[in-house]
Amino acid sequence: NAGVTQTPKFQVLKTGQSMTLQCAQDMNHNSMYWYRQDPGMGLRLIYYSASEGTTDKGEVPNGYNVSRLNKREFSLRLESAAPSQTSVYFCASRPGRTAYSSPLHFGNGTRLTVT
Amino acid sequence: AQTVTQSQPEMSVQEAETVTLSCTYDTSESNYYLFWYKQPPSRQMILVIRQEAYKQQNATENRFSVNFQKAAKSFSLKISDSQLGDTAMYFCAFEGGNTGKLIFGQGTTLQVKP
Repeated sequence: NAGVTQTPKFQVLKTGQSMTLQCAQDMNHNSMYWYRQDPGMGLRLIYYSASEGTTDKGEVPNGYNVSRLNKREFSLRLESAAPSQTSVYFCASRPGRTAYSSPLHFGNGTRLTVT
Repeated sequence: AQTVTQSQPEMSVQEAETVTLSCTYDTSESNYYLFWYKQPPSRQMILVIRQEAYKQQNATENRFSVNFQKAAKSFSLKISDSQLGDTAMYFCAFEGGNTGKLIFGQGTTLQVKP
């Protein structure tokens, strides 16, 4: 049982390049999340999807887009990468929309560097 | 807006001793959840303990326990009999009962020394 799988694990981009971070879960969870982790700031929510077909903005959505491709997959796209987007990105999922259902299950993160 | 504050960026403790990590939060909600997550150098996020606000009894998980003071909006984590494997960054997190959004504190880096 793989849980939450993120690809790639590491990525280096040049300013202005685009890329998509992939996330897939095999636990039949309804809700999926994208966070970024920066030193001294903890994890901040970028976007989330409470169920297949819906997405909502979190605390720091600017510069990102998401797609909930199906129940398993939730991708994060950087259209024009900026150095400020250098961070570690985490995908997470859980069965229901709220903590009442279950705590979050996290992937192992993607370290992204934008030069 | 809800906020979570961890005022201790770094802490250290000797192996086998007890350490307490602090966390305060701000919310106007009455129904919410609080969590402590551990992030070892492997970067994996591991749930340590969870507390539901309506439960007055403090949660415990083996060597990990919390001191939940609802009126003071405080949620500290106590680690007893510290082990080298407890070395990690620890995050306090809050979720309002119906928001679907988990909000994290800044994190506390804990080093357990042999």
